[in-house]
Amino acid sequence: AQSVTQLGSHVSVSEGALVLLRCNYSSSVPPYLFWYVQYPNQGLQLLLKYTTGATLVKGINGFEAEFKKSETSFHLTKPSAHMSDAAEYFCAVVIQGAQKLVFGQGTRLTINP
Amino acid sequence: DAGVTQSPTHLIKTRGQQVTLRCSPKSGHDTVSWYQQALGQGPQFIFQYYEEEERQRGNFPDRFSGHQFPNYSSELNVNALLLGDSALYLCASRGPGPGTGELFFGEGSRLTVL
Repeated sequence: AQSVTQLGSHVSVSEGALVLLRCNYSSSVPPYLFWYVQYPNQGLQLLLKYTTGATLVKGINGFEAEFKKSETSFHLTKPSAHMSDAAEYFCAVVIQGAQKLVFGQGTRLTINP
Repeated sequence: DAGVTQSPTHLIKTRGQQVTLRCSPKSGHDTVSWYQQALGQGPQFIFQYYEEEERQRGNFPDRFSGHQFPNYSSELNVNALLLGDSALYLCASRGPGPGTGELFFGEGSRLTVL
């Protein structure tokens, strides 16, 4: 069965600094990978996804992630953090043709002024 | 274009009671999934409905049941509520075809069981 591990339940960076949120997955077959963001008291919003093709994917709000099969990783990055990036971030995996997303535990991103 | 809408947004119940949560999928979407998100946790898959039938189920007891209507809207029912059922319940929808698994989420219904 597939699973997702997000390293670091809480990440804090300064405004303008690099954001790096780590995600490793476990899957016996090629997965589809997603990053979702959740702002306080809101649902989940898709940031970006990897299905097939180019391993570096760009998403909304300046975020991007790179699929590294050899490392079973899908880390999320943003070159320069903004205060508005403060939120909870979830990495998720789904097996092609499957019906459910499997989420990691989430990483709370705090931005310091 | 309305996204996924859920109701109610907040509700409080006591142990042993029953609750019904409602979801309208995004326009053009025919598949609805429900997820439970406990405080400080990632969402956990409850079940998915397509063509008015439950197609897949996560590791949740039979106290959790659902329904999908001909207009693709859905309900989640939880019977004999326990304190541990307190959570944010998220509804997600996706469109026809195999797709890429991308789901569109509503803002959730926050259930508190006292």
